[in-house]
Amino acid sequence: NAGVTQTPKFQVLKTGQSMTLQCAQDMNHEYMSWYRQDPGMGLRLIHYSVGAGITDQGEVPNGYNVSRSTTEDFPLRLLSAAPSQTSVYFCASLSYPGELFFGEGSRLTVL
Amino acid sequence: AQRVTQPEKLLSVFKGAPVELKCNYSYSGSPELFWYVQYSRQRLQLLLRHISRESIKGFTADLNKGETSFHLKKPFAQEEDSAMYYCALSFQGAQKLVFGQGTRLTINP
Repeated sequence: NAGVTQTPKFQVLKTGQSMTLQCAQDMNHEYMSWYRQDPGMGLRLIHYSVGAGITDQGEVPNGYNVSRSTTEDFPLRLLSAAPSQTSVYFCASLSYPGELFFGEGSRLTVL
Repeated sequence: AQRVTQPEKLLSVFKGAPVELKCNYSYSGSPELFWYVQYSRQRLQLLLRHISRESIKGFTADLNKGETSFHLKKPFAQEEDSAMYYCALSFQGAQKLVFGQGTRLTINP
C-alpha cells in the first residue's frame, strides 16, 4: 500500500517553462488536494478535487491548473513557471473526518 | 474568513520540560481542529484531532471555543518530539483544511 505518491521529488525550471507534478493515491479517496509550503506561510491550498471530473480552486490557484480524470490521479500543471512558484509542493488525499494523507513532497526551484 | 494563527515560528525547550504550542483560529461555524506533525525526513502526518479527545505520544489539545484556541500540550518533552507542527481547521464538510504557519519545535538535551 503506497499511499500518496508524488513525482518528481526535485525539479529545477527556468522562468517560462511548463511542467506537471504527478500525484497518485491507492486508497480510493474521493478528495485530493495540492498545497504549497513556504517558510513563514505554512501550507496553502492551491486546488482540490472532490471526485473524478470535479475540481475547484483553493487559496492560491493562480498559475496552476489541475484535472481529475480518475480517482487515483491528480496532476498539477504549471503553465509558465515564475520564480514566485519556487516552493515545496504537497499532494494529499482525504479520509473523513479530516485526516489528510500526504505525499513526500516535490521541491521546485524556478530560476 | 477562516484563519489559523500559530504565533510562534520557533520554540525551543529542554528535555523533560513542559511544552505548549499555541494555535488560535477564526471561524464563524462549528470548528473541527487538528494538529499535524512533520518529523525530519518523514511525511506530514496527523497527530491528533479535537473530536477524538485523545492523547497521542503524550500530547493533548483542548478546544477552547471562548478563546478560539486549540493549544497543543505535553507535560514532559522528549527529544523525539522535535519536529514541525501545524494546526489546521476543517470546514465545508471537511473538504477544506486551512493550516497555520507552523511552529518548529526543538527539544534540547
